[in-house]
Amino acid sequence: NAGVMQNPRHLVRRRGQEARLRCSPMKGHSHVYWYRQLPEEGLKFMVYLQKENIIDESGMPKERFSAEFPKEGPSILRIQQVVRGDSAAYFCASSPLGQGSSYEQYFGPGTRLTVT
Amino acid sequence: DQQVKQNSPSLSVQEGRISILNCDYTNSMFDYFLWYKKYPAEGPTFLISISSIKDKNEDGRFTVFLNKSAKHLSLHIVPSQPGDSAVYFCAASGLTGNTPLVFGKGTRLSVIA
Repeated sequence: NAGVMQNPRHLVRRRGQEARLRCSPMKGHSHVYWYRQLPEEGLKFMVYLQKENIIDESGMPKERFSAEFPKEGPSILRIQQVVRGDSAAYFCASSPLGQGSSYEQYFGPGTRLTVT
Repeated sequence: DQQVKQNSPSLSVQEGRISILNCDYTNSMFDYFLWYKKYPAEGPTFLISISSIKDKNEDGRFTVFLNKSAKHLSLHIVPSQPGDSAVYFCAASGLTGNTPLVFGKGTRLSVIA
């Protein structure tokens, strides 16, 4: 029973390049969340998606960041024109569908983005 | 504006003793609380949760207590083991189902053999 998968685990980008982070939820889960953790901080919510829908993107910067969860394939968090301040650990979590389901979110191992 | 606060950045406990990790929250709309454990270079692992209709939930060595009037919860680990050494995050959400979690900054627990 595979857990939440994220790749790559480590990503190095130069300033101005694009970063693409991928997340495959647990089997049977159709809700995906992206969180960012800066050094010595807790995780901060960025965006919540269901298949083909963005439900809540209130935590995501308006510029340069976008997310999608297509009908087929993993969820993608895309950061365009990266800057040094984007260096962080990015975690994806998934949870089951529907009211009354478990409220727990299950996290992937994270992608550590370093911008040089 | 931190809605979930873990005021102790670190805690050291001897093996076999009780570890008590504390968490305070400010948002009265939070109805569901969770504790996660995180090792370096790994994602957070779900430990235990509690809804606001309860004041205690127990799972093996882990017990979470909720004091809704004080907006305070705590995680008790007894007996503490060296493998419990990790960063523990408190998280909260509303009970509308599948809502984003709001995390505290974490407490680093060191269990000394």
